[in-house]
Amino acid sequence: KNEVEQSPQNLTAQEGEFITINCSYSVGISALHWLQQHPGGGIVSLFMLSSGKKKHGRLIATINIQEKHSSLHITASHPRDSAVYICAAYGGATNKLIFGTGTLLAVQP
Amino acid sequence: SQTIHQWPATLVQPVGSPLSLECTVEGTSNPNLYWYRQAAGRGLQLLFYSVGIGQISSEVPQNLSASRPQDRQFILSSKKLLLSDSGFYLCAWSEGDPYEQYFGPGTRLTVT
Repeated sequence: KNEVEQSPQNLTAQEGEFITINCSYSVGISALHWLQQHPGGGIVSLFMLSSGKKKHGRLIATINIQEKHSSLHITASHPRDSAVYICAAYGGATNKLIFGTGTLLAVQP
Repeated sequence: SQTIHQWPATLVQPVGSPLSLECTVEGTSNPNLYWYRQAAGRGLQLLFYSVGIGQISSEVPQNLSASRPQDRQFILSSKKLLLSDSGFYLCAWSEGDPYEQYFGPGTRLTVT
């Protein structure tokens, strides 16, 4: 079992829909990172959070440390949001970033 | 502001040939540097990280090696490529906190 699990693996949505991507981790962490990878491969950091909630535009990230769970929400989704979304947990025994396998999101017009 | 460069962007190499991928960071000093590989359908895997010139830590035993000849330069090499080395290679840097990493544009390597 991976230390960082994401769900769903694939997600197709219609433009305007509210989207939720989930991330669960089994290690103790000090921070969690949400990343976006576009089809060309480049990776952009969206959020880094260690507690509570952060919001940037239409993106919202939450984390529940006790439940070892984080969610990334996209409101009013748009085709340009189509990408792979990756969560990465920092901490545990190795003190390294541990990556989930990503969620492939396709938003259809 | 800081920027990170990787080259080449794409590379097709035959099995058994050597490899050299380069990563440079601008606008910061003494960054932590990382090499990751993303195989098709799999998550990012940390290959090497470096906290300073000449200081390399290897995460996964393999036929790849890394070097840091200058403060802001990180090189990934191989003497003989294997088919299993195909993938997307990403360089990243961090300043201080290793969990706040910034990624380069990546190199897509296909070994034929």
